Amino acid sequence: AQRVTQPEKLLSVFKGAPVELKCNYSYSGSPELFWYVQYSRQRLQLLLRHISRESIKGFTADLNKGETSFHLKKPFAQEEDSAMYYCALETSYDKVIFGPGTSLSVIP
Amino acid sequence: KAGVTQTPRYLIKTRGQQVTLSCSPISGHRSVSWYQQTPGQGLQFLFEYFSETQRNKGNFPGRFSGRQFSNSRSEMNVSTLELGDSALYLCASSLEAYYTQYFGPGTRLTVL
Repeated sequence: AQRVTQPEKLLSVFKGAPVELKCNYSYSGSPELFWYVQYSRQRLQLLLRHISRESIKGFTADLNKGETSFHLKKPFAQEEDSAMYYCALETSYDKVIFGPGTSLSVIP
Repeated sequence: KAGVTQTPRYLIKTRGQQVTLSCSPISGHRSVSWYQQTPGQGLQFLFEYFSETQRNKGNFPGRFSGRQFSNSRSEMNVSTLELGDSALYLCASSLEAYYTQYFGPGTRLTVL
């Protein structure tokens, strides 16, 4: 079965602390994985995708096929990082399966 | 470029009615996907259209349907509304499959 899990519904970290948002997936094919972010009162937007191996706003994510994980990391959290983060798996023809999301709160 | 637009932004209906939501993709984008977002179920894939053809469908009853026009604009229709259909309906467009999806602001549907 195709599934994306994010074990933490809520995550609070202090400003300047490292942050890691966990994501695990279940998919028999070759995964296309993404992180989407939704800031307060803004629309959902792509943060990064594994295939591009970019670092956006200081965030990185490494695909670990052995552990079927795609954790999102940032070495120093900023207050503006507070948002809802969704891990997503794209299967065929834009069928995207989203995880339940993790709400990140960065404490000043 | 203008972003994805969705109309209406808010809608209130009663049980048993039907509703049509509209999505205008970014100019040049040919793929349009629809999602339902609820507090309990999160974001769930409804269907995806490309060049007026439905290519993929999520696990929703037949009351949920959609279509895409030759200009790539898309509509989704929900017939015989139920209370559980209350949700934020998001539309996303992309150039093609596996390209970045850009989301619209959503239509907030409330079923009374």
